[in-house]
Amino acid sequence: LAKTTQPISMDSYEGQEVNITCSHNNIATNDYITWYQQFPSQGPRFIIQGYKTKVTNEVASLFIPADRKSSTLSLPRVSLSDTAVYYCLVGYMNSGGYQKVTFGIGTKLQVIP
Amino acid sequence: NAGVTQTPKFRILKIGQSMTLQCTQDMNHNYMYWYRQDPGMGLKLIYYSVGAGITDKGEVPNGYNVSRSTTEDFPLRLELAAPSQTSVYFCASRPGTSGNEQFFGPGTRLTVL
Repeated sequence: LAKTTQPISMDSYEGQEVNITCSHNNIATNDYITWYQQFPSQGPRFIIQGYKTKVTNEVASLFIPADRKSSTLSLPRVSLSDTAVYYCLVGYMNSGGYQKVTFGIGTKLQVIP
Repeated sequence: NAGVTQTPKFRILKIGQSMTLQCTQDMNHNYMYWYRQDPGMGLKLIYYSVGAGITDKGEVPNGYNVSRSTTEDFPLRLELAAPSQTSVYFCASRPGTSGNEQFFGPGTRLTVL
């Protein structure tokens, strides 16, 4: 399993762009990079997933450099409701194989008014 | 669709008691998972299933058992509850496609005294 390293916590003011970087030096060729968001007392929620280059959806962007040894989740113009824990996962699951992707401690993002 | 549902929401057990945590999904997903999350920590995989009749151990399976008799249901059984099993338990499911997007239930908060 690819080990991931991300900051334990980050603070940001409302309206700012927030970038959370995850290191995954031993990522495998078939591995995807996935980010989840978790609010207190709730289960994690999928945010975005990518394999290489840049992926964007309605809530975030994911930047993956060519060597894929790190990735950056970008949250544009955060609001107080973005205060949550963000998890970076690296792994591969397919219909024919098993998976043991694990969640680390995550990054606790605190958005300040 | 209700998505992933879990019952009960809360439970207090005495040491040595047994119980079953229920998990049901109505999305016809092949893959299902059980995680536990201790306070301030990430999620740890207990057991998973790639389809009805097929289950396998995750990172922390000791003290737990699972079964998967139908696509929809994936109950987690605790035998001889111990204080170390005090945690929040999340069930998740995933369609049988590549990538890591899992859909989580609301969780069950279990306290063993």
